[in-house]
Amino acid sequence: RKEVEQDPGPFNVPEGATVAFNCTYSNSASQSFFWYRQDCRKEPKLLMSVYSSGNEDGRFTAQLNRASQYISLLIRDSKLSDSATYLCVVKGTGGFKTIFGAGTRLFVKA
Amino acid sequence: GAVVSQHPSWVICKSGTSVKIECRSLDFQATTMFWYRQFPKQSLMLMATSNEGSKATYEQGVEKDKFLINHASLTLSTLTVTSAHPEDSSFYICSARDGGAGANEKLFFGSGTQLSVL
Repeated sequence: RKEVEQDPGPFNVPEGATVAFNCTYSNSASQSFFWYRQDCRKEPKLLMSVYSSGNEDGRFTAQLNRASQYISLLIRDSKLSDSATYLCVVKGTGGFKTIFGAGTRLFVKA
Repeated sequence: GAVVSQHPSWVICKSGTSVKIECRSLDFQATTMFWYRQFPKQSLMLMATSNEGSKATYEQGVEKDKFLINHASLTLSTLTVTSAHPEDSSFYICSARDGGAGANEKLFFGSGTQLSVL
């Protein structure tokens, strides 16, 4: 089992749609969770951190379920510019490395 | 936010040559930098952790004699792919940690280097 698993997609959605991505992690000691966005052949860029209470940043909402060991990202009112690969990232403490999921590809169409 | 500069962006080389990739932290001191490799449609895979003034720590399966890492200053780490072969063709990305290690550390990435070995 991979340490961080994501549905690779691709998700093809029309503009204005709401789309949700899930990510599961295997290490229950994981402490920090993030969503990164990566465009083709570009570096990953931090989209948002994920907090236990859930958090929202504009059209993006992230949630964490520690009991089930998964995190989610919800994108509302999708824009063409949201087309990218979304990486789920998990980190612990005490030398636990930052682990990247393989990413979920999103295509938003006009 | 913190800026990490990575050069070159693209490299095309002949099989058997060596390629050096530089990663610089421009506005902060990075005692630790990370080197990743990413094949198409796959995740970033950590190759090694580069520590300023000491030897790099390589992940299992990564040949340290093939991927030479030097972190001689607090703002510069280099990755040298020695005797590159076509199977080394990949997207290489560095990242640096801003601040101390811990659950809330943030990673800042270089823009990546696409290596194509002919």
